[in-house]
Amino acid sequence: ETGVTQTPRHLVMGMTNKKSLKCEQHLGHNAMYWYKQSAKKPLELMFVYNFKEQTENNSVPSRFSPECPNSSHLFLHLHTLQPEDSALYLCASSPHPRDTEKLFFGSGTQLSVL
Amino acid sequence: QKEVEQDPGPLSVPEGAIVSLNCTYSNSAFQYFMWYRQYSRKGPELLMYTYSSGNKEDGRFTAQVDKSSKYISLFIRDSQPSDSATYLCAMSENDYKLSFGAGTTVTVRA
Repeated sequence: ETGVTQTPRHLVMGMTNKKSLKCEQHLGHNAMYWYKQSAKKPLELMFVYNFKEQTENNSVPSRFSPECPNSSHLFLHLHTLQPEDSALYLCASSPHPRDTEKLFFGSGTQLSVL
Repeated sequence: QKEVEQDPGPLSVPEGAIVSLNCTYSNSAFQYFMWYRQYSRKGPELLMYTYSSGNKEDGRFTAQVDKSSKYISLFIRDSQPSDSATYLCAMSENDYKLSFGAGTTVTVRA
């Protein structure tokens, strides 16, 4: 496997459910990101991790909880979400947080909250 | 006022036409400018990366940056049906946090 892999590709959950999104990168990068992409809106940066340490939390509600156990894996734990949280959640990685020229995205998890 | 404005389209052109896309921005400190292409059900992929003002050409793609007008453009020559995608502009002050446009959806008709 190469690149950035996200699972699941699609997720439907109720507002009381707890679920997790998974991201794995095989590029040897040190920085990993979660972005939210809503229809007709710009990508919103949610979290940044560098060498497993969170370096950015862009005022994301606590119902989104990230976890980065190592530089290759990133999770987004979801609980008590709202319908407005329905969106495409994209994981990305880069060699370093300042290497935006080398930012690689996964294919995303399309999340629907009922 | 949004930090980055991008016309969402949709834009439909015949095969072989020139596609012209643009973004305007309000932050004069932006100096790194990017264009991403996003196919349906895929993540964005970097197409063009430009630092400061000027033009950059890569095959059928040309990116232009006019910092005095706070305006960037992407031109696609000899467009192909495989160019049908959503194109996102992005920019940053220091090659770190990116500010994205909402994307323009392009369809190239065979």
